[in-house]
Amino acid sequence: SQQGEEDPQALSIQEGENATMNCSYKTSINNLQWYRQNSGRGLVHLILIRSNEREKHSGRLRVTLDTSKKSSSLLITASRAADTASYFCATAPGGNNRLAFGKGNQVVVIP
Amino acid sequence: EADIYQTPRYLVIGTGKKITLECSQTMGHDKMYWYQQDPGMELHLIHYSYGVNSTEKGDLSSESTVSRIRTEHFPLTLESARPSHTSQYLCASSDAGQADTQYFGPGTRLTVL
Repeated sequence: SQQGEEDPQALSIQEGENATMNCSYKTSINNLQWYRQNSGRGLVHLILIRSNEREKHSGRLRVTLDTSKKSSSLLITASRAADTASYFCATAPGGNNRLAFGKGNQVVVIP
Repeated sequence: EADIYQTPRYLVIGTGKKITLECSQTMGHDKMYWYQQDPGMELHLIHYSYGVNSTEKGDLSSESTVSRIRTEHFPLTLESARPSHTSQYLCASSDAGQADTQYFGPGTRLTVL
């Protein structure tokens, strides 16, 4: 089942601006992951945040996790045209090795 | 780039044909997965395997079948393709020691006429 749900579904921004996406989920999790998918390609893992972590950084990416609200956000700072892609959150429910992917957020960065 | 490969990248075939989509990984991962994804839509897990001779059906019912005879190889077969099978098929693998992080192949875009 797909329990991750990203919001907003589509985002269009100017190069240099920040892009923020949210993801909500329904069950308890071990970790939450964000992936990027360029058009017509496979997904690429970006960052993983564990259930006992609240915030994590990787380069221009910042992820937060609020387990009380069952939500996460992905912030891309100083966006570039190359960041144009779909972004998926995926949750790893406790005791289950199968990831549940959300519907994806399409981000378009205008040069 | 992950060391996981899918062939063919694109396939256009007629209804009723038997096809096999290939997926191979050189990372020694025990876990492998097949997802189906329509353009701009979410991923649906159709098959997974936790090791050699282990295969399970995923969350989305699929008429395809899979086999796992070797750790590195996880082919998907459609005995009789139909237009409803037109989609993108993504293969992935993961290592139990990496908190379920999955590595994806580039995908096979299948069109059944």
